[in-house]
Amino acid sequence: DTAVSQTPKYLVTQMGNDKSIKCEQNLGHDTMYWYKQDSKKFLKIMFSYNNKELIINETVPNRFSPKSPDKAHLNLHINSLELGDSAVYFCASSQGSQISYGYTFGSGTRLTVV
Amino acid sequence: GDSVTQMEGPVTLSEEAFLTINCTYTATGYPSLFWYVQYPGEGLQLLLKATKADDKGSNKGFEATYRKETTSFHLEKGSVQVSDSAVYFCALSYPYNTDKLIFGTGTRLQVFP
Repeated sequence: DTAVSQTPKYLVTQMGNDKSIKCEQNLGHDTMYWYKQDSKKFLKIMFSYNNKELIINETVPNRFSPKSPDKAHLNLHINSLELGDSAVYFCASSQGSQISYGYTFGSGTRLTVV
Repeated sequence: GDSVTQMEGPVTLSEEAFLTINCTYTATGYPSLFWYVQYPGEGLQLLLKATKADDKGSNKGFEATYRKETTSFHLEKGSVQVSDSAVYFCALSYPYNTDKLIFGTGTRLQVFP
């Protein structure tokens, strides 16, 4: 069973569209994250949720809206997609402080905006 | 602000060669340091960590020592295998604060038989 699963794995869409990426973890973790990896492999945190509450919200355009219906799910909705949104988006989860257990990452969603 | 700098890749080695991937950091406090590995088509996995100066993290033959005086956390392995081919990310975080990870840009390792 996949611990952190993201869907879809690949997403190609046109500028201006709205799209969602889903993430689910079956580890019982209480914290979930979204990271963005750009074309140069640079990874930056976007959001984190702890027990469905928003904890970290980095300087991300408000076209990006995370939604956590329960602590096992953290979805990412993106409105009015732009070319610069093309990247790989990683979901991750952790239980308590990640210093003790580390993050568990999903395998990523490659978003291409054309 | 806090940041992590890694050596540019790719690093290309023959099997059984010695590996070093350099990582230095800039931090305002006393962070914890990590190495994550990303195998092709997969998410990142925690490889090893160190929480304070002079700590040595180790796992699967990889080692890294937290050097406060040189603000470094270089990754080493004595004898690499083809299966070690992956992208390696150095990262720091402040546990019990926001707990977010700040990553370096990643270094691709390619090991040939």
